[in-house]
Amino acid sequence: TQLLEQSPQFLSIQEGENLTVYCNSSSVFSSLQWYRQEPGEGPVLLVTVVTGGEVKKLKRLTFQFGDARKDSSLHITAAQPGDTGLYLCAGPFNAGKSTFGDGTTLTVKP
Amino acid sequence: DSGVTQTPKHLITATGQRVTLRCSPRSGDLSVYWYQQSLDQGLQFLIQYYNGEERAKGNILERFSAQQFPDLHSELNLSSLELGDSALYFCASSVETSEGIYGYTFGSGTRLTVV
Repeated sequence: TQLLEQSPQFLSIQEGENLTVYCNSSSVFSSLQWYRQEPGEGPVLLVTVVTGGEVKKLKRLTFQFGDARKDSSLHITAAQPGDTGLYLCAGPFNAGKSTFGDGTTLTVKP
Repeated sequence: DSGVTQTPKHLITATGQRVTLRCSPRSGDLSVYWYQQSLDQGLQFLIQYYNGEERAKGNILERFSAQQFPDLHSELNLSSLELGDSALYFCASSVETSEGIYGYTFGSGTRLTVV
């Protein structure tokens, strides 16, 4: 059973389009993290959201934590080819470890 | 450069063999986490060490073991390798607050191919 479900699994769009990817769970998380991973590299932390309803912006990326702290979304405005990658959400599970979703593979075509 | 160093970057070995993956955490970080990433199972937590002691264990096979040395570098030992062990293995340091784990800093990983 996957604690964190991410959707869509794959997304291919043209440069300049907007997109939203989702991270959902039936469990409450004290925080959720978003990472971007490029081929052959480790995931890179983008943001951590902690408070229910919280919205954080990182340039063209907007992250939202659900009011009930069970879900989160990542919205990208005017996507660029450099945004291409695997987007992972993760949350603390038990002491000393986090659980990761399976990720959304985003391809932005020039 | 994340500050977390993993070696080797690539490893090709035969079934039944044993390999050792090495990780140096960021300077000053006491925790080391090992994760396995495969195509069919995503990123799976294996084990955590904190200042030389095992702190948490995840889905780590009995054929796998790890340790953290006094200089805080860690090694993940994989033995009796099977084809299904082929994956990316990541080491990470964590940023923790009073509310829990804030996030991880990952190394570039070791790509293990078992043939």
